[in-house]
Amino acid sequence: GAGVSQSPRYKVAKRGQDVALRCDPISGHVSLFWYQQALGQGPEFLTYFQNEAQLDKSGLPSDRFFAERPEGSVSTLKIQRTQQEDSAVYLCASSSPAGEPGNEQFFGPGTRLTVL
Amino acid sequence: QKEVEQNSGPLSVPEGAIASLNCTYSDRGSQSFFWYRQYSGKSPELIMSIYSNGDKEDGRFTAQLNKASQYVSLLIRDSQPSDSATYLCAVNIFKAAGNKLTFGGGTRVLVKP
Repeated sequence: GAGVSQSPRYKVAKRGQDVALRCDPISGHVSLFWYQQALGQGPEFLTYFQNEAQLDKSGLPSDRFFAERPEGSVSTLKIQRTQQEDSAVYLCASSSPAGEPGNEQFFGPGTRLTVL
Repeated sequence: QKEVEQNSGPLSVPEGAIASLNCTYSDRGSQSFFWYRQYSGKSPELIMSIYSNGDKEDGRFTAQLNKASQYVSLLIRDSQPSDSATYLCAVNIFKAAGNKLTFGGGTRVLVKP
């Protein structure tokens, strides 16, 4: 089966614009994660979904960041009023089954966001 | 102190030699440990997972875990130029709210022909 897919792969936004990033997890994976990776650093956790429930959003850096997964499959990360410090690669990962320790997470190709 | 620490490198290794990468973590509640490989401009690719103390081998890769010392390592035997990448150590602390990964900053490895 296909891996995790993300779109768009690249996004350039003007400061103040809203953006929406999409993630399509591996089929059947109930757990979905969003991470942010700045240049030269490791990924940092943003938020976690188990099916449609957002169980952990402790990593979202501000209330401008919002994520949803309404039907428990595709997820969208939305950033409102983008700022230059939001420039990063946004990675989506999925794993199965839900919530068990040791579940391996598989990453999508990422969306590189550049805010001008 | 960062939760997961790695030497940023670069670690320069001759082709055919063993590359040794180290990672330390601070939370004793950590239960699962992963090594990801990340090529420049690409996303992380899972190469090893380890959950109990000792060694785990998979092909040219060996992961070693010592929970008492809060230390996990990765050995790459017979290093090839294609192994040149950044290697990310990731740690999972299982909680009811999910099993997010905490990453180190990565070690850049350069394998020279």
